Amino acid sequence: AQSVAQPEDQVNVAEGNPLTVKCTYSVSGNPYLFWYVQYPNRGLQFLLKYITGDNLVKGSYGFEAEFNKSQTSFHLKKPSALVSDSALYFCAVRPLDDKIIFGKGTRLHILP
Amino acid sequence: ETGVTQTPRHLVMGMTNKKSLKCEQHLGHNAMYWYKQSAKKPLELMFVYNFKEQTENNSVPSRFSPECPNSSHLFLHLHTLQPEDSALYLCASSPQLAGTSTDTQYFGPGTRLTVL
Repeated sequence: AQSVAQPEDQVNVAEGNPLTVKCTYSVSGNPYLFWYVQYPNRGLQFLLKYITGDNLVKGSYGFEAEFNKSQTSFHLKKPSALVSDSALYFCAVRPLDDKIIFGKGTRLHILP
Repeated sequence: ETGVTQTPRHLVMGMTNKKSLKCEQHLGHNAMYWYKQSAKKPLELMFVYNFKEQTENNSVPSRFSPECPNSSHLFLHLHTLQPEDSALYLCASSPQLAGTSTDTQYFGPGTRLTVL
């Protein structure tokens, strides 16, 4: 079965430190890959996506994600975390010609 | 804001009530979606509409009934719900349906539903 895994329920990072939120997937073919963020009492907001080309994708709010085909991973990264980055982050994968699949989400806490 | 609005933002209903959730998008998108978000579970896709036509129903119980009168509006009619249906219901839209590079989804703020 096709799936998306976010192995960490929660990630804690000190403000100013680099952050990584992990995502791995198991789908056939070459899927589209997405990251979304959800702030409290809000819907999901699109951060970035990978379709093809450069493995490093840059998105909103200084976030970037690195596509690794051999490891079937699409980890979200930011060089220097802000307290305002604290939120729930969702990785999503859309196999070609099939519906999008979301991970369970990872709660990111940035500690002042 | 993303241009997708949902009303009401909060809803408390009894198991015998009938209520409706409304979603409206001002983005000119052709595809619209209903999702259910429960605590510590993956986002569950419920229904997909493309150009007002339902293209997907992911084994959703019949107590949830969607309606899409036009490409800008999407409703979710609720009746005889169960307490386990309590969740955040999210509406989303995308320029096109899955299968193109323009299928990035834009979400509304959600309706927090509590079934007593």
